[in-house]
Amino acid sequence: DIVMTQSPDSLAVSLGERATINCKSSQSVLHSSSNKHYLAWYRQKPGQPPMLLIYLSSTRESGVPDRFSGSGSGTDFTLTISSLQAEDVALYYCQQYYSTPLTFGGGTKVELK
Amino acid sequence: EVQMVESGGGLVQPGGSLRLSCAASGFTFSSYAMHWVRQAPGKGLEYVSAISSKGFNTDYANSVKGRFTISRDNSKNTLYLQMGSLRPEDTAVYYCTRAPSGSYNPTYFDYWGQGTLVTVSA
Repeated sequence: DIVMTQSPDSLAVSLGERATINCKSSQSVLHSSSNKHYLAWYRQKPGQPPMLLIYLSSTRESGVPDRFSGSGSGTDFTLTISSLQAEDVALYYCQQYYSTPLTFGGGTKVELK
Repeated sequence: EVQMVESGGGLVQPGGSLRLSCAASGFTFSSYAMHWVRQAPGKGLEYVSAISSKGFNTDYANSVKGRFTISRDNSKNTLYLQMGSLRPEDTAVYYCTRAPSGSYNPTYFDYWGQGTLVTVSA
């Protein structure tokens, strides 16, 4: 199984400031035929189900604000929120879909400073 | 508007059974693979099971293999999860999720239901 490790476990950010979340996979999630990384990011607000933000490591889902961006390659990936809004206080998860079983990171909690 | 509404959760004793349902609307249900993902209280997300769009292919996490069965009724736009030999560690919110068009497994999830809570306790 591919193990997904997120860091930090939590971070406190002021409104309007940048938040950076890291995700590391135990093996490459690069699909050789497409040259794309099979890595997704989700946001889960308190009491709600997760919502897809990013897939293919850097493609923003339709309707997701452009303050969210994904980057990375190989086994190291980053989700950046360029200017934190109040509605971004949430848990964030990465997920690999390179192979089964599908696996998620342990989550990163973003709070207001 | 895409909607998925889960039902069937509740309190069940260890060793018991439960059937979850997920009623889908707002999209052509028979064209999409569907999955179940669970989240134990205060914990992270865990993949449970997948079924292809026509129901011919299924997949399970090792933790539930042999105890859970995924199925679907495309005439009713409904996804099911039959859960048996339940254990306390199966206690979680169970989410019905949709794979994007053309995808089965492995995949990511573009829509999630609100979830239904299953509690396994004596």
